[in-house]
Amino acid sequence: EDKVVQSPLSLVVHEGDTVTLNCSYEVTNFRSLLWYKQEKKAPTFLFMLTSSGIEKKSGRLSSILDKKELFSILNITATQTGDSAVYLCAVFYNQGGKLIFGQGTELSVKP
Amino acid sequence: DAGVTQSPTHLIKTRGQQVTLRCSPKSGHDTVSWYQQALGQGPQFIFQYYEEEERQRGNFPDRFSGHQFPNYSSELNVNALLLGDSALYLCASSLGTASPHAFFGQGTRLTVV
Repeated sequence: EDKVVQSPLSLVVHEGDTVTLNCSYEVTNFRSLLWYKQEKKAPTFLFMLTSSGIEKKSGRLSSILDKKELFSILNITATQTGDSAVYLCAVFYNQGGKLIFGQGTELSVKP
Repeated sequence: DAGVTQSPTHLIKTRGQQVTLRCSPKSGHDTVSWYQQALGQGPQFIFQYYEEEERQRGNFPDRFSGHQFPNYSSELNVNALLLGDSALYLCASSLGTASPHAFFGQGTRLTVV
């Protein structure tokens, strides 16, 4: 059965810390992996990764995919309280259609 | 440019009742997917509509049904509600079924009592 597993499930850090969120997957017909940030309701898009070993960056956030080992990481440097959210990892099938999500990592950044 | 809009935002229903949730996709998008997100879990795919037909379906019972209209908006219907149907229902729109770039609405929080 296809699955996406995220770790840790929750994390509490202090402002200024660096965090690494993990996502591993076992999915047939993999096409791409996406990271979303969910603060209250609507998940908002962060990154899409298709090629292995190429880092995507946006400000303090970065992500990389390892297609051989079937995992991705999301790094957040110099965390701020506004980074507090649930971070979701999802895999998109090559045959299109659906996203398979992990359980999410709940990040709490304390002042 | 309006994003994905869902209505209502919150809903309380009694076990056994039926509910209809609505979604208007982002302007220019023609594909709508529905997800159920239980508390503390990631979203789970229910089904996807394109060209007014259900194209893919997740592991949900027939109590969950949907519809897509010619203007690309969509409805999710759930019959014979169970307590376990309480969740955030998210609608996502995209351009075509092969695009991984889905934009999500704010969701409808359904509580079944």
